[in-house]
Amino acid sequence: SAVISQKPSRDICQRGTSLTIQCQVDSQVTMMFWYRQQPGQSLTLIATANQGSEATYESGFVIDKFPISRPNLTFSTLTVSNMSPEDSSIYLCSVEGPQPTQYFGPGTRLLVL
Amino acid sequence: KQEVTQIPAALSVPEGENLVLNCSFTDSAIYNLQWFRQDPGKGLTSLLLIQSSQREQTSGRLNASLDKSSGRSTLYIAASQPGDSATYLCAVRPKNRDDKIIFGKGTRLHILP
Repeated sequence: SAVISQKPSRDICQRGTSLTIQCQVDSQVTMMFWYRQQPGQSLTLIATANQGSEATYESGFVIDKFPISRPNLTFSTLTVSNMSPEDSSIYLCSVEGPQPTQYFGPGTRLLVL
Repeated sequence: KQEVTQIPAALSVPEGENLVLNCSFTDSAIYNLQWFRQDPGKGLTSLLLIQSSQREQTSGRLNASLDKSSGRSTLYIAASQPGDSATYLCAVRPKNRDDKIIFGKGTRLHILP
């Protein structure tokens, strides 16, 4: 199984600022996924990040709001830009393992005031 | 379009009881189905993965079944403990590997000491 770490684990931010979330995996993976989980809701896929290419964004999510970097096969960042209270969520990094199965990081809990 | 439903949304049972959580999906053309556990404000922990060709998987006190023809999966928890209190999510991976995983909204389980 893959071991995934995320930083920060939680943060409280002011409206209009940006936050960059880091995701580190203990093994090399082709694709990394970023999810959002709004309060009381299930998971929504934001984008898929491949190393060496632009991230693929799902409907309703744009690069200007959620820029993603994927500099190597074990690391990715997601930035939440120009934040508003509606961005308050848990942000989760995920990778795909054999079979295939999905593994998730511990999440970043974001509160925007 | 695949939809995943989990009923009930919340469940409280006394400690020691056996219980069943339900997951239904509308399209039987799936690759596999995965059950996760999520503690409040945290990431997802994979519990069990059932491939489309399998009928059930077991891990300790947990047993997950899959009936593709009826579009149903159940997660059976034996001899429940207060530590089992969490939200349990079901996720379906479509037959087409390029399609994204679909999550249910989860069942919030509370085991009463």
